[in-house]
Amino acid sequence: NAGVTQTPKFQVLKTGQSMTLQCAQDMNHNSMYWYRQDPGMGLRLIYYSASEGTTDKGEVPNGYNVSRLNKREFSLRLESAAPSQTSVYFCASSESRDGLTEAFFGQGTRLTVV
Amino acid sequence: EDKVVQSPLSLVVHEGDTVTLNCSYEVTNFRSLLWYKQEKKAPTFLFMLTSSGIEKKSGRLSSILDKKELFSILNITATQTGDSAIYLCAVRGGSYIPTFGRGTSLIVHP
Repeated sequence: NAGVTQTPKFQVLKTGQSMTLQCAQDMNHNSMYWYRQDPGMGLRLIYYSASEGTTDKGEVPNGYNVSRLNKREFSLRLESAAPSQTSVYFCASSESRDGLTEAFFGQGTRLTVV
Repeated sequence: EDKVVQSPLSLVVHEGDTVTLNCSYEVTNFRSLLWYKQEKKAPTFLFMLTSSGIEKKSGRLSSILDKKELFSILNITATQTGDSAIYLCAVRGGSYIPTFGRGTSLIVHP
């Protein structure tokens, strides 16, 4: 029972490099989310996808792009990494859009930009 | 814009103490309030509180929701070192997107 799977778990980038964080869920959830977590800041929403084929900006979208490849997969891309993007990134998914279910999280990607 | 404020931001106690964590919120068209525990890795789900379920209890943990005053509390009785974690509160409103607070960092000393 995998749930939400993120890859990679750790990554070090140089400033200006690009990379894609992968996320897949096997729970047939409609909604998927990308959050970043910085010390003392809780989880801040970067982008979300309410359903396959749709994506929308969250609280902190600058410097990121996303793709909802299909119902299972939701990727996050950093086109030109900056030190300010050093963070822990979490992908999450939830079953319904009526707000009455919990969100399930992946194990996180720890990204360092030097 | 939905908003969640947690207090205190950090808390240090000794084993056996009882702690109360607070979560106040502003949200349009409230749907649910969620509590998560985060140790080293991913947040793990604890409770969901809704208009039809304003009290939850599991072992030493319990939570209530006050929809009138727009807050929730998470109580942990007889704390153990394994309770050391960040506790996150989130709300889901009309947009259905979970909006999180900054979390409360709890440290339980033996």
